Amino acid sequence: DGGITQSPKYLFRKEGQNVTLSCEQNLNHDAMYWYRQDPGQGLRLIYYSQIVNDFQKGDIAEGYSVSREKKESFPLTVTSAQKNPTAFYLCASSTNEEKSSGGYTFGSGTRLTVV
Amino acid sequence: AQRVTQPEKLLSVFKGAPVELKCNYSYSGSPELFWYVQYSRQRLQLLLRHISRESIKGFTADLNKGETSFHLKKPFAQEEDSAMYYCALRPPGQNFVFGPGTRLSVLP
Repeated sequence: DGGITQSPKYLFRKEGQNVTLSCEQNLNHDAMYWYRQDPGQGLRLIYYSQIVNDFQKGDIAEGYSVSREKKESFPLTVTSAQKNPTAFYLCASSTNEEKSSGGYTFGSGTRLTVV
Repeated sequence: AQRVTQPEKLLSVFKGAPVELKCNYSYSGSPELFWYVQYSRQRLQLLLRHISRESIKGFTADLNKGETSFHLKKPFAQEEDSAMYYCALRPPGQNFVFGPGTRLSVLP
């Protein structure tokens, strides 16, 4: 299914709970990214990682955390500190060469709803 | 600060009509510009990039540095072009800045 898999597709969380979104790729891509997609706002970068065991904050990292222990995996944790977590979350990956040419591969997304 | 604007949230055209999706950006240097597309029930995917000067699925986009624009055009729209389109800017060595997106609806 496209080489990059996000799970689950839908996720419901109670207020005050942490929740982790999974992103796995078998494309041997070095770089991975997490975006948040809100209506009328486009995609906003949460965190990104260009190499295993290293990651950087994006534009809206507050209330989120990530890890990159394996090249294939880049899970995103939405913590209780995130004030407005209900959104559609997209994971993407690229080789370092594709990073410069624009060819990101995107996952199918996870829709998180806080209830 | 870098910014991408797409003034139309929704654009409806009839099949066979020309279509232009507008994109303007704010960046003082020489940017890389891209168009991404998301068809219904499909993943977001790269449509074209300005550096390649390519035509994909009949779409073209010309970078106009004077007007800081990168409008996406197609002379004859098809129903299968209906999708969400995102313009994106990438300053050299930095991450993407995406616009808010325009939903294109091609009517039969």
